[in-house]
Amino acid sequence: RKEVEQDPGPFNVPEGATVAFNCTYSNSASQSFFWYRQDCRKEPKLLMSVYSSGNEDGRFTAQLNRASQYISLLIRDSKLSDSATYLCVVNGRGSQGNLIFGKGTKLSVKP
Amino acid sequence: DTGVSQNPRHKITKRGQNVTFRCDPISEHNRLYWYRQTLGQGPEFLTYFQNEAQLEKSRLLSDRFSAERPKGSFSTLEIQRTEQGDSAMYLCASSREGGNQPQHFGDGTRLSIL
Repeated sequence: RKEVEQDPGPFNVPEGATVAFNCTYSNSASQSFFWYRQDCRKEPKLLMSVYSSGNEDGRFTAQLNRASQYISLLIRDSKLSDSATYLCVVNGRGSQGNLIFGKGTKLSVKP
Repeated sequence: DTGVSQNPRHKITKRGQNVTFRCDPISEHNRLYWYRQTLGQGPEFLTYFQNEAQLEKSRLLSDRFSAERPKGSFSTLEIQRTEQGDSAMYLCASSREGGNQPQHFGDGTRLSIL
C-alpha cells in the first residue's frame, strides 16, 4: 500500500461546480496533514493545513478522519484559477521533517 | 522577495559530470529540506537539516548525493557522476521548527542529463 494515495483524476469540471478530493494515508502515527497545490511546472504551494476538527478557508474546506486515515478537500464555487494539481501531504513515518506527498489529482475548471 | 531561492533554475549536463545546486531558505526558518520530483509524481523527500545538522536522509539519497548546510543558512546539494535517472526537478523547502509547521518551497532546479 502506498503511503499516501489520492484519486487518480483528472477532474474536469465547469466553473461554479463543487469538487471533492479524497486521500488516504497508511501511517496511523502521522500528526501533520496538508493540502498543497501545484501549477504546471511550478513549485508546490501550501493551500491549507488540515486540523482534526476540520477547517475552512473561504471556498476551501478540509476534513480529517484519523480513524479511517482519510483526508478530504472540498472546493466550492470553483474558479478557472483553481485549475492545478492538488497534492495530499502527511508527515513521514517516525519523522517530523519528512513530508510524504501523494501523486496529486489534476483539476481543470472549464468556462 | 523573501521566499526560498534556488539556483540555477535549469541545469543541462552530460552524464558522468558533477552538479551542485544551491538553496537559500526563508531567513527565519531553521529547517531546510531537499526533495526530488519527476513528471507525474509528487515530490519525494531526500534529506533535511535543522540549522547545520543533517537530521534525516532518505534511501533515495545514494552515495553519489551529498548535501551540506555548513553555517545553518544556505544549503548545497551535489550529485556526483550524474546518471540519466537523475533527471528531475530538485526542490528545496524551508520551515520553522515544529511538527506541524508547513514547508515553503522554492522554484526548484530542473536537471536534465544528456
